Amino acid sequence: DVVMTQSPLSLPVTPGEPASFSCRSSQSLLHSNGHNYSNWYLHKPGQAPQLLIYLASNRASGVPDRFSGSGSGTDFTLKISRVEAEDVGVYYCMQALQPPYTFGQGTKLEIK
Amino acid sequence: QVQLQQSGPGLVKPSQTLSLTCAISGDSVSSSSAAWNWIRQSPSRGLEWLGRTYYRSKWYNDYAVSVKSRITINPDTSKNQFSLHLNSVTPGDTAVYYCARESTGSKFDFWGQGTLVTVSS
Repeated sequence: DVVMTQSPLSLPVTPGEPASFSCRSSQSLLHSNGHNYSNWYLHKPGQAPQLLIYLASNRASGVPDRFSGSGSGTDFTLKISRVEAEDVGVYYCMQALQPPYTFGQGTKLEIK
Repeated sequence: QVQLQQSGPGLVKPSQTLSLTCAISGDSVSSSSAAWNWIRQSPSRGLEWLGRTYYRSKWYNDYAVSVKSRITINPDTSKNQFSLHLNSVTPGDTAVYYCARESTGSKFDFWGQGTLVTVSS
């Protein structure tokens, strides 16, 4: 299975400041079609996870433009340009190149 | 708008079978561009993908290695839904279970509301 490793595990951020989440995969997620099959989800307490970014850098419908994704191969990054209070929760990266799909262990965003 | 509505018991006894259903509206379980997944979340395991079913001229399934010997995911075209059956459960299977649609780009864009399933006698 592809192992996804996220860092940090906890991220305290002051509102209005940027935040950066890192994810590394044990195998390249670059498909022969040129797309990197890395997705990002936010899991808020009591809610279903929500899709933020797919194919490494594409924002999902309705996701604010303060969220951006980048990376290729085995290294991926999610960035929030200016954190808001509603952004708290656990952020997961996921490899979607091939089943079995695997998630990272998550990074918990907390507001200072 | 796609909606997924989960149903099933919240308490299952050890060694028995966990069964959940996910009813689909706004799409078809037989769609040739979607796949239908089950994922669970627990404090000890985080998010764990369990498996999926999808139709591409015939039905296919993929399952996580960790549950492959115990899991079945079935489509029900007459009711436009799909189900999860996990047998021989243990307390380690206690989790919140989610169904989700996988669309182009292998993204989980719509999710069910989640069902907390506790395995306990």
